[in-house]
Amino acid sequence: NAGVTQTPKFQVLKTGQSMTLQCAQDMNHNSMYWYRQDPGMGLRLIYYSASEGTTDKGEVPNGYNVSRLNKREFSLRLESAAPSQTSVYFCASSAHGDSNQPQHFGDGTRLSIL
Amino acid sequence: AQSVAQPEDQVNVAEGNPLTVKCTYSVSGNPYLFWYVQYPNRGLQFLLKYITGDNLVKGSYGFEAEFNKSQTSFHLKKPSALVSDSALYFCAVREGDDKIIFGKGTRLHILP
Repeated sequence: NAGVTQTPKFQVLKTGQSMTLQCAQDMNHNSMYWYRQDPGMGLRLIYYSASEGTTDKGEVPNGYNVSRLNKREFSLRLESAAPSQTSVYFCASSAHGDSNQPQHFGDGTRLSIL
Repeated sequence: AQSVAQPEDQVNVAEGNPLTVKCTYSVSGNPYLFWYVQYPNRGLQFLLKYITGDNLVKGSYGFEAEFNKSQTSFHLKKPSALVSDSALYFCAVREGDDKIIFGKGTRLHILP
């Protein structure tokens, strides 16, 4: 019963490098989300996907792209990493069309940009 | 636009005492309210939710929350704190669409 799985768990990049963060869920959820967590800032939504084939910008989308590969997988790409993107990234999923359902989170990817 | 505020960055409580973590919200319609807990190096875990009905909602690990519409608050409570309750707590609100807005979090320290 894995829930939401994120890979990798840790990563160090140099400024300008690119990287894709992977997320997969096994709960048959329609909606998936990417957040970043920074000290004192709470969770900020980067992108979300309400259903397979759709993606929408969240609060802080600049510098990121996403792909909803299929119903299970939702990836986040940094094309040219910047030190300001040093953060902990969380993927989450929830049942779409039922706003009273909670989100289920992965354990995060800790990303450092040097 | 919907928003949620957690006015305390940190709350310290002695073990065995009651605890309260505060949350206030702002929405234009009927709110869906949630509390989540985050332990070190882990993702957020769902604790409880208010959708409609009784104003006192019971959740996991002995936590409960009281919905107060007139004060637009949804405070998290527990009658007797445990050291293992020490964690980061997030209040969240959802209004109609598919996005949840999270508060900035309150760090709860339970002192032995």
